[in-house]
Amino acid sequence: DAGITQSPRHKVTETGTPVTLRCHQTENHRYMYWYRQDPGHGLRLIHYSYGVKDTDKGEVSDGYSVSRSKTEDFLLTLESATSSQTSVYFCAISDVGREAFFGQGTRLTVV
Amino acid sequence: AQSVAQPEDQVNVAEGNPLTVKCTYSVSGNPYLFWYVQYPNRGLQFLLKYITGDNLVKGSYGFEAEFNKSQTSFHLKKPSALVSDSALYFCAVRDDSGYSTLTFGKGTMLLVSP
Repeated sequence: DAGITQSPRHKVTETGTPVTLRCHQTENHRYMYWYRQDPGHGLRLIHYSYGVKDTDKGEVSDGYSVSRSKTEDFLLTLESATSSQTSVYFCAISDVGREAFFGQGTRLTVV
Repeated sequence: AQSVAQPEDQVNVAEGNPLTVKCTYSVSGNPYLFWYVQYPNRGLQFLLKYITGDNLVKGSYGFEAEFNKSQTSFHLKKPSALVSDSALYFCAVRDDSGYSTLTFGKGTMLLVSP
């Protein structure tokens, strides 16, 4: 696997609490992405980053925020978790003209 | 906006038979096309890509895909399926602008029976 680590791998949290997921890469790739995977929807882009402190919204960004203060780290925050945010979250990295490489995923359950 | 359609939720094939998993796309500009595979409780693994050049692209584990510009398709194929090929397959597209992000299809579950 490419050098991508997601943490935590599993998390159960209560509705209304803040949650932060971390993606760490050792490949020095420029682009980093957060996707969520839900049955029947495939993978949907939440937010992405094209450089340090440069981020943009994807198609399902409501309720999520991101930060990238270093090349290697991309954080996804759920400010106030809701049950609709129960999902599997994947981080991915890529470089210009290259395919994307994915982390192992974080299974988040909001109860 | 770019999009990907995988018209089959599931494809069933017997071991040893050829398999095809279909994908059509829509994108402005020239497409970059990708196939990924996902095994249970795992992340996505890259299989192959089309950027430019030959329309027939060969990838990992004996898979190949054929790019057809007129039909805007990028079907995944394998001459002889294995039971171990059973997994969830995703097609993805981005354009060549350098600023585009990957858009995925909803996935096709491939089941290979012994």
